[in-house]
Amino acid sequence: DAGVIQSPRHEVTEMGQEVTLRCKPISGHDYLFWYRQTMMRGLELLIYFNNNVPIDDSGMPEDRFSAKMPNASFSTLKIQPSEPRDSAVYFCASSLVAGGDGYTFGSGTRLTVV
Amino acid sequence: QKEVEQNSGPLSVPEGAIASLNCTYSDRGSQSFFWYRQYSGKSPELIMFIYSNGDKEDGRFTAQLNKASQYVSLLIRDSQPSDSATYLCALPPGGYNKLIFGAGTRLAVHP
Repeated sequence: DAGVIQSPRHEVTEMGQEVTLRCKPISGHDYLFWYRQTMMRGLELLIYFNNNVPIDDSGMPEDRFSAKMPNASFSTLKIQPSEPRDSAVYFCASSLVAGGDGYTFGSGTRLTVV
Repeated sequence: QKEVEQNSGPLSVPEGAIASLNCTYSDRGSQSFFWYRQYSGKSPELIMFIYSNGDKEDGRFTAQLNKASQYVSLLIRDSQPSDSATYLCALPPGGYNKLIFGAGTRLAVHP
C-alpha cells in the first residue's frame, strides 16, 4: 500500500487566495482526519470523517475552512480566503478503526500564505 | 488544564543511556494511549500503544501506564542518535473516536 497520499507537498500563496489541500487515505480505512501543526499550537485536530461523513468539525478554526470527502478515496481541505496565520503544516491521517491501533499520517502539506 | 501535557524539553541523554519521556492527561475516561515519533520535517509515526495498567515492551521501547495517577511514559533503552526526534503522546479523550496530541518532547541523544 502506498500509504496516505497528500498533495501538494508545498504550497505558497498570497493572502486572500483560495487554497485546496488533497488527501487519499489508505484503501479500506474508514476514518480520515485532518490535522494542522504549528510551533505555537502543536498538532491540532481540525475535522474527521467516518465512512465519508463528517463527524466532528469542532476544530475547524472558522468559516474560511471547509472539508469534504466525496468518496472513500479522496478528501479535500479548502481555505478561502487564506490568511498569513493559516501558514502551517497540514496533515491528513487515516485509520481502520477509531483510535484503535493509531493513525497513519500522510507526508503533510506545508502551506505558506504571504 | 490541557488534556494532554508533556514537557517540551529538550531532553538530552548520552548514547546508550535510558531516555524517559512522560505524559499526563486530564480525562479519566481515556482508555488507550499512543506514542508517536516525529523527526524534524517529517510526519508522526506510531511507535506504541497501551491500554492496560503496567508495562508494555517492544524492543528497546517500553510504555508504562498508570491510570490512577493519570500518566503514561515511554522509556527508550540503549538510546541511539537516531532516536533524536520529538515524541508525541496521544489519546482519545472520553473515549471519543479521535486522538488529541500533546505538544511533544524533543529528545536529543548525543554520542
